[in-house]
Amino acid sequence: DTAVSQTPKYLVTQMGNDKSIKCEQNLGHDTMYWYKQDSKKFLKIMFSYNNKELIINETVPNRFSPKSPDKAHLNLHINSLELGDSAVYFCASSQDKRSSYNSPLHFGNGTRLTVT
Amino acid sequence: GIQVEQSPPDLILQEGANSTLRCNFSDSVNNLQWFHQNPWGQLINLFYIPSGTKQNGRLSATTVATERYSLLYISSSQTTDSGVYFCAVELTDSSYKLIFGSGTRLLVRP
Repeated sequence: DTAVSQTPKYLVTQMGNDKSIKCEQNLGHDTMYWYKQDSKKFLKIMFSYNNKELIINETVPNRFSPKSPDKAHLNLHINSLELGDSAVYFCASSQDKRSSYNSPLHFGNGTRLTVT
Repeated sequence: GIQVEQSPPDLILQEGANSTLRCNFSDSVNNLQWFHQNPWGQLINLFYIPSGTKQNGRLSATTVATERYSLLYISSSQTTDSGVYFCAVELTDSSYKLIFGSGTRLLVRP
């Protein structure tokens, strides 16, 4: 199936630990994103990569480090996890807007992170 | 920064009813998208609609960019329409960032 897939679906960990979330898309898109959804369902962009290049970094603590080994993958590594990091993290992708006028955003199914 | 306001915040419908969800935004935008988050948390793109009207089955959307609003129409609602509906806008000066509204939570009762 063509999709944006992210793993794991659930992640429960203790404060201070380091964890990673992986994301892959096989839609042939050039741009990938990480969004955070808080407990009130509010969605906010964290990072955006276009062809492996970081183009958006929305004042996210530097404990969060995205890595894009190629344009089909965008992983998120989080150091020294804090209670406030508990949220649902969504990976997404879209076509490069410079090459396509119509570039809707496609989301993965989310990773629910719980920090205890 | 830009404000994206959705109304109503909550909506309860009886199955078969029609509804209109509204999204107002405070500044010029490049495009606007509507999403449905189902009860299992999946976010589905419904419409990419910078202007004009589009229809997809029982759903349709209209964006009037000059007046800074968009409407999502749901006709003959079904229980599977339940969830949260988000609109999101892309600023004219930022080609890769979508700003999301706070959503309309819809419950369709059988």
